[in-house]
Amino acid sequence: DSGVTQTPKHLITATGQRVTLRCSPRSGDLSVYWYQQSLDQGLQFLIQYYNGEERAKGNILERFSAQQFPDLHSELNLSSLELGDSALYFCASSMGGSDEQFFGPGTRLTVL
Amino acid sequence: AQSVTQPDIHITVSEGASLELRCNYSYGATPYLFWYVQSPGQGLQLLLKYFSGDTLVQGIKGFEAEFKRSQSSFNLRKPSVHWSDAAEYFCAVGGFTGGGNKLTFGTGTQLKVEL
Repeated sequence: DSGVTQTPKHLITATGQRVTLRCSPRSGDLSVYWYQQSLDQGLQFLIQYYNGEERAKGNILERFSAQQFPDLHSELNLSSLELGDSALYFCASSMGGSDEQFFGPGTRLTVL
Repeated sequence: AQSVTQPDIHITVSEGASLELRCNYSYGATPYLFWYVQSPGQGLQLLLKYFSGDTLVQGIKGFEAEFKRSQSSFNLRKPSVHWSDAAEYFCAVGGFTGGGNKLTFGTGTQLKVEL
């Protein structure tokens, strides 16, 4: 158990819908990262937040957005969902901005 | 741009045999290097990391990795594989660039252990 929690574990929804994935970092960690794992793209970095501020951005679609709240938990919002958005979404956290990252168990999103 | 290549998609070894998983990276500065393991339906568990210093790093579960700058490699090794080591292994490179710290992962190596 890494100490990073993610909810929900599974999410099934329809195309065009909007979902929110939630992540709570390890106690004391200030950075939160979001990654997408799919069969065709592999593990891809989406976005990083550090103490509430966006720190780095990867190939995150405009339909996707994230934020980190004052209690340091983070949410990833995915809207206008497409079939290709079906994937495993991981959250990771680290103490600072450049330390090793600890991953949560992931949220499996299925878009039908 | 940073990148990671794991040339072996699948590897099968017998239980008790030694293991080496290959990883080559591309990074403009001194890299941070990691190996993660993912069991079916599970998240990613950090096996070991290299930030600086001794080029041979020890990790959990009896794994080690050696950083070779001249070969841009960070291969993972284990002297004697156990059946429970069957999983997918990911090499990743990271670094503090542009204010952020993203990890770039390889495509993974699926390890099968024959009893």
